Amino acid sequence: AQKITQTQPGMFVQEKEAVTLDCTYDTSDPSYGLFWYKQPSSGEMIFLIYQGSYDQQNATEGRYSLNFQKARKSANLVISASQLGDSAMYFCAMRAMYSSASKIIFGSGTRLSIRP
Amino acid sequence: EAGVTQFPSHSVIEKGQTVTLRCDPISGHDNLYWYRRVMGKEIKFLLHFVKESKQDESGMPNNRFLAERTGGTYSTLKVQPAELEDSGVYFCASSQDRTTAGGYLAKNIQYFGAGTRLSVL
Repeated sequence: AQKITQTQPGMFVQEKEAVTLDCTYDTSDPSYGLFWYKQPSSGEMIFLIYQGSYDQQNATEGRYSLNFQKARKSANLVISASQLGDSAMYFCAMRAMYSSASKIIFGSGTRLSIRP
Repeated sequence: EAGVTQFPSHSVIEKGQTVTLRCDPISGHDNLYWYRRVMGKEIKFLLHFVKESKQDESGMPNNRFLAERTGGTYSTLKVQPAELEDSGVYFCASSQDRTTAGGYLAKNIQYFGAGTRLSVL
């Protein structure tokens, strides 16, 4: 069975500092994708970054990077130079990548608050 | 390009009433998903459409929930009759999945709407 664990229910970070949001996962699927979504107070779920299980390099998207450690089954999100607008709920998620797979499995989320 | 839109954004109904949620996916996306987050719990998968066909409805909680996607465009999720435990946020997502030569999904992103907050009193 697939499982995503986010152990930080909430975090406070000073503006302009870097922040790491933890995510560990468990799966028996040989091919899978890992995702991070951001949910601001407005409610929409915004896709941030994707990492494939066979990707050789860690994914980066602007200020977001994914610290993927396959042997440890971790996929931590790193946000560099945090901004006030980064305050939101962050969800780590996973999906098996065989063609008939449907669902994304989500973690419980981490609420990130950026202090000015 | 318009994203995934959901309507209404918030619905308050009494136990026993019927509610219909609507989702308009991103234009051209064949895949449409419904998820929900009940208070204090994780976001859970409900079902998956490929065009107008139900690909996977393993997450539907019971037969009070009926999802349709006539014509393969927008989708509706009806709850009838609604119960207190149905309260939560219902998300819709869409994607345009591509399959590699080996039968695996390429990088396929599910794009989510803002959700419908359902309150059953």
